[in-house]
Amino acid sequence: SYVLTQPPSVSVAPGQTARIPCGGNDIGSQDVHWYQVKPGQAPVLVVYDDRDRPSGTPERFSGSNSGSTAMLTINRVEAGDEADYYCQVWHRSSGHREVFGGGTKLTVL
Amino acid sequence: QVQLVESGGGVVQPGKSLRLSCAGSGFTFSNYGMHWVRQAPGKGLEWLATITYDGDNKYYADSVKDRFTISRDNSKNTVSLQVTALRPDDTAIFHCVKDSSGSGNWYFDVWGRGTLVTVSS
Repeated sequence: SYVLTQPPSVSVAPGQTARIPCGGNDIGSQDVHWYQVKPGQAPVLVVYDDRDRPSGTPERFSGSNSGSTAMLTINRVEAGDEADYYCQVWHRSSGHREVFGGGTKLTVL
Repeated sequence: QVQLVESGGGVVQPGKSLRLSCAGSGFTFSNYGMHWVRQAPGKGLEWLATITYDGDNKYYADSVKDRFTISRDNSKNTVSLQVTALRPDDTAIFHCVKDSSGSGNWYFDVWGRGTLVTVSS
C-alpha cells in the first residue's frame, strides 16, 4: 500500500516560515492536497492540486511537489495557524485508494 | 452555504451496529462523490469509504471493507454509512466529506463536523 510520511511536529516562531514536508514514492507524479485540522473543528482544505488555494485560504499558504516530497509552506506564521496538517493523495494503483499522511502538529512558539 | 451535517453516532457495545447519516445542502448533491473519513482520539485522519455521484461505484479501505457499507439517496441529499461488528478501536469521530468530483477521486472540498461513535461495554 502507498504510504505518505510526515514529521510528527514542526515548531516555528510567529512571523517566521513553516515548512511541512510530505514524503512518498514518486509523489511528484501525483496531485497532493493539504488539510488543516484544529481541535473541535471540521478539517479544512487549504491547498489542492499541489499548489492551488481555495478561496478563503490566505496567500501565506503555498504548496509545491516534486520528486519524492511535497511541501506545504506557511509564510509569516500567525498564532491562528497552529493546527494539525495532513497531506492526501488519491492513489491510482490497487484500485481506488484515498491516502492520508500521518499528520504534522504545527506549534507556534 | 455548502453544508454537511452528520447524525447517528453514540455509545454502542462491541459487536453491535450503527447507521450514520449525512445530509448535504447548498450544492447539487447528485453531482458529487462522497466519502466517510474518521479520526480516532489522538490519531490521524483515516479514509473509510467512497461512493460515486450516481451510487454505482463504491470503494472501501481494507480495514473496514467487510464491516462497513456506504450508500446514498440523491432524492433526499443524504449519504449513509452502515457500520457493523463494531470494535473498541472503531471509536472515533466520523466525518462526511464531499469530493470535488463526481467520481470521488480528487480532493475533499467540504467536511462535516462529524459524529462521535464510542464503542464500549
